[in-house]
Amino acid sequence: EIVMTQSPATLSVSPGDRATLSCRASQSISSNLAWYQQKPGQAPRLLIYGASTRATGLPARFSGSGSGTDFTLTISSLQSEDFAVYFCQQYKTWPQTFGQGTNVEIK
Amino acid sequence: QVQLVESGGAVVQPGRSLRLSCAASGFTFSSYAIHWVRQAPGKGLEWVAVISYDGYNTYYADSVRGRFTISRDNSKDTLYLQMNSLRAEDTAVYYCARPYGGNYNSPLDYWGQGTLVTVSS
Repeated sequence: EIVMTQSPATLSVSPGDRATLSCRASQSISSNLAWYQQKPGQAPRLLIYGASTRATGLPARFSGSGSGTDFTLTISSLQSEDFAVYFCQQYKTWPQTFGQGTNVEIK
Repeated sequence: QVQLVESGGAVVQPGRSLRLSCAASGFTFSSYAIHWVRQAPGKGLEWVAVISYDGYNTYYADSVRGRFTISRDNSKDTLYLQMNSLRAEDTAVYYCARPYGGNYNSPLDYWGQGTLVTVSS
């Protein structure tokens, strides 16, 4: 099973600032990586797939990069609605596995 | 629009059984594999099971294999998860989710709102 490790666990950011979230796979997953956003009491929402392709309607302030084992989600200028938990997921091999999440909170 | 609506969550005792349902609408259900993913309270996401578009192929997480059964009725646009021999560690919100493009190994682009299963004596 591929282990996905996210860092940091919590990221404190001021509105308007840049946020950089990391995700590392225990073995190469090529570009088979997705990012999800989850707000309290809601289901996860797909943000990025293929490591860097934005889901339909996702604002351009969200961007994804990386391949192989190291990946990054960047939010260029945090808006109030962006404070949430973010999960990465690999879908290259079974079972699909998720990272433990990064909580982006208001500083 | 695409909708997935789970139901059937409840409080059950350890060792008992429960069946969850997921009603789909807004897309051609019979063309898509569908997943179950769960989230224990305050924890991360755990993939549980997936079923092929036609129901002939199923895959399970090690943690539920032999106890849970995923199935579907394409005539009713409904997905099921039969959960037997429930344990305290099965306590979670259970989501059904659709993979992008319909294939097993794709990201999950639509999720239901989830249904809570609590296993407790």
